[in-house]
Amino acid sequence: AQSVAQPEDQVNVAEGNPLTVKCTYSVSGNPYLFWYVQYPNRGLQFLLKYITGDNLVKGSYGFEAEFNKSQTSFHLKKPSALVSDSALYFCAVRDRNKIIFGKGTRLHILP
Amino acid sequence: ETGVTQSPTHLIKTRGQQVTLRCSSQSGHNTVSWYQQALGQGPQFIFQYYREEENGRGNFPPRFSGLQFPNYSSELNVNALELDDSALYLCASSLGVDYFSYNEQFFGPGTRLTVL
Repeated sequence: AQSVAQPEDQVNVAEGNPLTVKCTYSVSGNPYLFWYVQYPNRGLQFLLKYITGDNLVKGSYGFEAEFNKSQTSFHLKKPSALVSDSALYFCAVRDRNKIIFGKGTRLHILP
Repeated sequence: ETGVTQSPTHLIKTRGQQVTLRCSSQSGHNTVSWYQQALGQGPQFIFQYYREEENGRGNFPPRFSGLQFPNYSSELNVNALELDDSALYLCASSLGVDYFSYNEQFFGPGTRLTVL
């Protein structure tokens, strides 16, 4: 069965510093991986996806993610954090017609 | 292009009651998926509808049922509500169900259901 794990419940980063939100995956076959963000009282917003090709995937709002097959990781990154990046981030994997989400990582960007 | 909308925004019910949640998919999308997001958890897949037919179901009991209409809007019905049904219910729309490619699912803002 496909699954993703987000080992950190919360990540704190100072504004302007680089940020990383970790995700590892377990899949059979080729992984289709995603990152979504959820702001308070809002639905999920799609950030980026990896299906095939370059291991560095660029997404919305300056975010990018690095696919690492040997480490089965798909970490979300941003070179310079903004206070407005504070939100709940979900790593996810596609399993046929559904998406399986991790538990989420709350990102706090400190001014 | 209109996004995914859901109604109502919030709902309070008592145990044993029935509830219907509604979703309008994004313009041009023919597939709707429903997810349950309990507090502090990631969303969990309930089921998906494609062209008015159920196209996959997660690990939810039969008292969770759904419909998709010819205009591709959808309803989620939950019978015999239990306290653990309290959650944010998210609807997502997408185009097609081609397993060999992937079209992103676009999520609505959700309906917050509280069961007392």
